[in-house]
Amino acid sequence: GAVVSQHPSRVICKSGTSVKIECRSLDFQATTMFWYRQFPKQSLMLMATSNEGSKATYEQGVEKDKFLINHASLTLSTLTVTSAHPEDSSFYICSPLRGRETQYFGPGTRLLVL
Amino acid sequence: QKEVEQNSGPLSVPEGAIASLNCTYSDRGSQSFFWYRQYSGKSPELIMSIYSNGDKEDGRFTAQLNKASQYVSLLIRDSQPSDSATYLCAVGTDQGGKLIFGQGTELSVKP
Repeated sequence: GAVVSQHPSRVICKSGTSVKIECRSLDFQATTMFWYRQFPKQSLMLMATSNEGSKATYEQGVEKDKFLINHASLTLSTLTVTSAHPEDSSFYICSPLRGRETQYFGPGTRLLVL
Repeated sequence: QKEVEQNSGPLSVPEGAIASLNCTYSDRGSQSFFWYRQYSGKSPELIMSIYSNGDKEDGRFTAQLNKASQYVSLLIRDSQPSDSATYLCAVGTDQGGKLIFGQGTELSVKP
């Protein structure tokens, strides 16, 4: 397996504020990090792929100016939800890539925007 | 559009029975296949990966792959109530480690 941490695990914020989520790969260096979002009773939706030192690649329909991703080191990636709105309330999960194609998931961050 | 299909369930089996979870995929060129388990409110955890046709066993879990039929399954022997979760099938792509996930099958093991 792999050890991945996310912080915070749960956050409640007011509409219009920004929220930063940190994802750390604790036992291996992750060149590539995937960020997912999951709404209740739905499957994982890939939001973006980030490579260390490069700009993230966003999936179709995901606003890059709203979901800022920084992958400055091989062990840390951050997702910032800017000007959050209630429709951004979701479960956000990071997933570092180990090797060529094995993904391990962080514990997730549950965001509630009031 | 590459797709991965799973029955959403719920699949209900009695404790001690074999649970069979199925997954089909559309891209005939797919080479890697993964099963994840996701408990309610938690993130997915990797159960097994399989790359070659045939069976791969790990404890009570057996993954089966048939590339000709574009079909991958997960068998859980001696099912336990603690196995109750949603099981996600994922298929690898040739795009830098990206996975395509199925919708997940909800499994309920009744005591």
